[in-house]
Amino acid sequence: GAVVSQHPSWVICKSGTSVKIECRSLDFQATTMFWYRQFPKQSLMLMATSNEGSKATYEQGVEKDKFLINHASLTLSTLTVTSAHPEDSSFYICSATNVPGLAASSSYNEQFFGPGTRLTVL
Amino acid sequence: GNSVTQMEGPVTLSEEAFLTINCTYTATGYPSLFWYVQYPGEGLQLLLKATKADDKGSNKGFEATYRKETTSFHLEKGSVQVSDSAVYFCALLSMNAGGTSYGKLTFGQGTILTVHP
Repeated sequence: GAVVSQHPSWVICKSGTSVKIECRSLDFQATTMFWYRQFPKQSLMLMATSNEGSKATYEQGVEKDKFLINHASLTLSTLTVTSAHPEDSSFYICSATNVPGLAASSSYNEQFFGPGTRLTVL
Repeated sequence: GNSVTQMEGPVTLSEEAFLTINCTYTATGYPSLFWYVQYPGEGLQLLLKATKADDKGSNKGFEATYRKETTSFHLEKGSVQVSDSAVYFCALLSMNAGGTSYGKLTFGQGTILTVHP
């Protein structure tokens, strides 16, 4: 149980184009999803937190107009990298939890991670 | 702000060797600490966790003890197997005094472990 999938697993695109990455919770309802970015040999950096049906909360330094996040249903969140440039090349990872994450919760609720999407912008 | 520092890898061991991966942290509040593992081609999986000082998390033969005095959460296993080859991430979740959290994990940079037969 608690499986999260991402699609595509890898994508190569030309500079200036937009790329959409999907994150799905396959066997549970994900009220909150998180998007991370990981550079080679570096840690995962949280980009944004999204709750189903509301706007995403972006971390400081993350351009919300460049990284569009939509969490339209309890099983799907999408990250769209708009007008991608080579510096956007990275490994993007999503995670999902079934407890609201933005509000204080009484205990840690495990995040379940997708396998990641490798984006290469030429 | 919060930060997590892991020992640099890669770590290469022979089967049945003893494993230690060091992890230290800085945090405000009362953090919970975690070890995640990422096997090739898969997503991160929670390996073990500890929510307060002196707690010991354990799973699949791995152990880590939450040491507040040294702000550490080192991962250990007495006898590694080839199947333990993976990337290991130390992480913290900052909790406030009331024990509530906001779901934001701070990760270390990851340590690649390779175990040879």
